[in-house]
Amino acid sequence: GAVVSQHPSRVICKSGTSVKIECRSLDFQATTMFWYRQFPKKSLMLMATSNEGSKATYEQGVEKDKFLINHASLTLSTLTVTSAHPEDSSFYICSANELVGTGGGGSNQPQHFGDGTRLSIL
Amino acid sequence: AQTVTQSQPEMSVQEAETVTLSCTYDTSESNYYLFWYKQPPSRQMILVIRQEAYKQQNATENRFSVNFQKAAKSFSLKISDSQLGDTAMYFCAFMKRNNAGGTSYGKLTFGQGTILTVHP
Repeated sequence: GAVVSQHPSRVICKSGTSVKIECRSLDFQATTMFWYRQFPKKSLMLMATSNEGSKATYEQGVEKDKFLINHASLTLSTLTVTSAHPEDSSFYICSANELVGTGGGGSNQPQHFGDGTRLSIL
Repeated sequence: AQTVTQSQPEMSVQEAETVTLSCTYDTSESNYYLFWYKQPPSRQMILVIRQEAYKQQNATENRFSVNFQKAAKSFSLKISDSQLGDTAMYFCAFMKRNNAGGTSYGKLTFGQGTILTVHP
């Protein structure tokens, strides 16, 4: 079945550094990918919609200069947390929206989730 | 805009018993999907079951079934013969169906989640 690979799974870094998280669709093309943030025992909050070849669409209240999204190909989207601070510590999850007509047919999942990235800023 | 509400922050059930998780939603859309996702302690998001709004028949997947009441905008999940591995956080989610092109999919709106604990 369709798989989304998210890397890294865990990152710990110092305040002020920038961190890049990758979301890669392994056996299908994804014109759209989604980035979520999740606090412990809370729901997934959509941060932005990543569109291949165009600018990302950010949800209200999400700083686009803080959370840079790049979707340069049909299989890769990246989220860069710039000048990270302790309040940016969280669990980040991506999901990929499969382009109809490409590989992965037969799956009942409209979106395929990565396994998430646990970000800790010291 | 759509909203999804899960009014039970936590639930518990004995192994082999049945439990029902509640979900209500609000939308002006007529064409949409509803989902239940499971998130175990590993935090991986696992699709449990999916319901298409135009289908009147309730979806079932082995021990998991839903009670979809479209007029009431209710979408509850029933877990039968609960197992220890069912312990997880469960999310109800809504997705508008994009009719352009037939089956392209959009963003999910999640409920607050329900933490389910299955006791031996």
